[in-house]
Amino acid sequence: AQRVTQPEKLLSVFKGAPVELKCNYSYSGSPELFWYVQYSRQRLQLLLRHISRESIKGFTADLNKGETSFHLKKPFAQEEDSAMYYCALGNQGGKLIFGQGTELSVKP
Amino acid sequence: DGGITQSPKYLFRKEGQNVTLSCEQNLNHDAMYWYRQDPGQGLRLIYYSQIVNDFQKGDIAEGYSVSREKKESFPLTVTSAQKNPTAFYLCASRSHPAEISGNTIYFGEGSWLTVV
Repeated sequence: AQRVTQPEKLLSVFKGAPVELKCNYSYSGSPELFWYVQYSRQRLQLLLRHISRESIKGFTADLNKGETSFHLKKPFAQEEDSAMYYCALGNQGGKLIFGQGTELSVKP
Repeated sequence: DGGITQSPKYLFRKEGQNVTLSCEQNLNHDAMYWYRQDPGQGLRLIYYSQIVNDFQKGDIAEGYSVSREKKESFPLTVTSAQKNPTAFYLCASRSHPAEISGNTIYFGEGSWLTVV
């Protein structure tokens, strides 16, 4: 079965502190993993995807197949990073599922 | 202005009635999706379609139905069989279903459905 788990519903940090949003997945095939972000009153938008190995807004995520994880990290959180973050898992059949989401709150 | 349009933004339904949510895209995307977003449960996949005249059930398809008669349209009907229909519904689309890693999914603004 294809499954995505984000164990933290809420993560609260102070500005300048490091951030790690956890994502674990379950999938028997070759996974395609993404992070999506939803800022207040805005549409969901792609933050980054594992295949491109890019850094967006200072965020990075590395696929760890051994631990079946795709954690999102940022060394120094900013207040504008406060949002809902969703980890997503896709397969070659076109199915794309999302985790439960983690609300990140960055306090001044 | 290209994008995905969902309508209506707010909808009230009486118990026992069917209701249809509209999703239209002018991005020439092949694949379209419907998700339900509930607090604490994230986005759950209802149905998805990779090409016209074809669609597959997602994880929570019971009580819902869809059609894909046109490439740009993927309406979702919430039937009276759906036991807990009050929720926020999101439609999404992307260009190449066989290359999920190579293309971005775009989301609509969502539709709020309330059963009264």
